[in-house]
Amino acid sequence: DSGVTQTPKHLITATGQRVTLRCSPRSGDLSVYWYQQSLDQGLQFLIQYYNGEERAKGNILERFSAQQFPDLHSELNLSSLELGDSALYFCASSVDLAGYNEQFFGPGTRLTVL
Amino acid sequence: GENVEQHPSTLSVQEGDSAVIKCTYSDSASNYFPWYKQELGKRPQLIIDIRSNVGEKKDQRIAVTLNKTAKHFSLHITETQPEDSAVYFCAARPGHDMRFGAGTRLTVKP
Repeated sequence: DSGVTQTPKHLITATGQRVTLRCSPRSGDLSVYWYQQSLDQGLQFLIQYYNGEERAKGNILERFSAQQFPDLHSELNLSSLELGDSALYFCASSVDLAGYNEQFFGPGTRLTVL
Repeated sequence: GENVEQHPSTLSVQEGDSAVIKCTYSDSASNYFPWYKQELGKRPQLIIDIRSNVGEKKDQRIAVTLNKTAKHFSLHITETQPEDSAVYFCAARPGHDMRFGAGTRLTVKP
């Protein structure tokens, strides 16, 4: 157990819908990262937050947005869902901003868009 | 932006043999290079990392080497065991984000 929690574990929805994925970082970690992993694919970096502020953006679609709240939990919002958005979404946390410390991954949320 | 290429995509070795996975990166600003292991259906877990001011790092059967001039780094696993079977990802960090390679599926045959 990494100490990072993600809910829900599984999510099945239809095209065009909107969903929210939630992540709670390890106690003491200020950085939260979101990644997308499609079937048999690598990890695509989406976005990073540090202490409530957006710090880095990767390959995140305009239909996706995220935020980090004062209690440091983070949410990833996916809207106008398409079949291709089906993937495993991981959240990771680390203690620092620069990222020289280990990123601890949560168990992931498996999103299926039908 | 940073582009990380990883080879091979699949690797099969006999138990006890060594395995080598290679990655190249494009952004000379990258200064941190972690390796993650992901077992089937599980989360990625860090197995070793190296910073740009170090050329080599070893942890028991695992070692990583970094060549900054050539912009490549490698993971070496010696005396492989069946439990080493997993997907391995290299990554490079040019700034606040992290760019991962496409992964190598390692199979260790008993």
